[in-house]
Amino acid sequence: EDKVVQSPLSLVVHEGDTVTLNCSYEVTNFRSLLWYKQEKKAPTFLFMLTSSGIEKKSGRLSSILDKKELFSILNITATQTGDSAVYLCAASQGGSQGNLIFGKGTKLSVKP
Amino acid sequence: NAGVMQNPRHLVRRRGQEARLRCSPMKGHSHVYWYRQLPEEGLKFMVYLQKENIIDESGMPKERFSAEFPKEGPSILRIQQVVRGDSAAYFCASSRDRDTEAFFGQGTRLTVV
Repeated sequence: EDKVVQSPLSLVVHEGDTVTLNCSYEVTNFRSLLWYKQEKKAPTFLFMLTSSGIEKKSGRLSSILDKKELFSILNITATQTGDSAVYLCAASQGGSQGNLIFGKGTKLSVKP
Repeated sequence: NAGVMQNPRHLVRRRGQEARLRCSPMKGHSHVYWYRQLPEEGLKFMVYLQKENIIDESGMPKERFSAEFPKEGPSILRIQQVVRGDSAAYFCASSRDRDTEAFFGQGTRLTVV
């Protein structure tokens, strides 16, 4: 059965800390690994990773994919309270990047 | 440039009624996806549509659920004869094509009483 597993399920840190969120996957016809941030409602797109070993960066966030070991990490440096959210990892498969298998998410809480 | 628009944001239905959820994709996007999020569960894929075509409905329950994306107008997810177990958040996402990332709407929270 296809699955995406995220760890940890929840994490509490203080402002300024660096965090690493983990995502492993077992998905047939794998295409890409995507990260989303979900605050109140709508998941917001962060990264799409298709190639192994190439880091993607956006400000204080970065992510990388290892297709041999079937995992990805999302790093957040110098965390801020606004980073508090659920971070979702998803694997796309088959015919479209929008057909996604999601993990249950990592709930990140950043304390002042 | 409006994002993916879903309405209504909240919908309350009594058991046995019909629920209609609407989704207007981002401008320039012709691929639409519906997902369901149950309490304490991850997002689950339901159906993938392009204009006037259902591409993949492997995640749709076999009965009472249907989806369409007509040539004109929004995509509609229809749930007939709703039951308590249908209570969930339903998210729509859209993408420009099959190879680009999908962007999500704010969701419709359905409550069946």
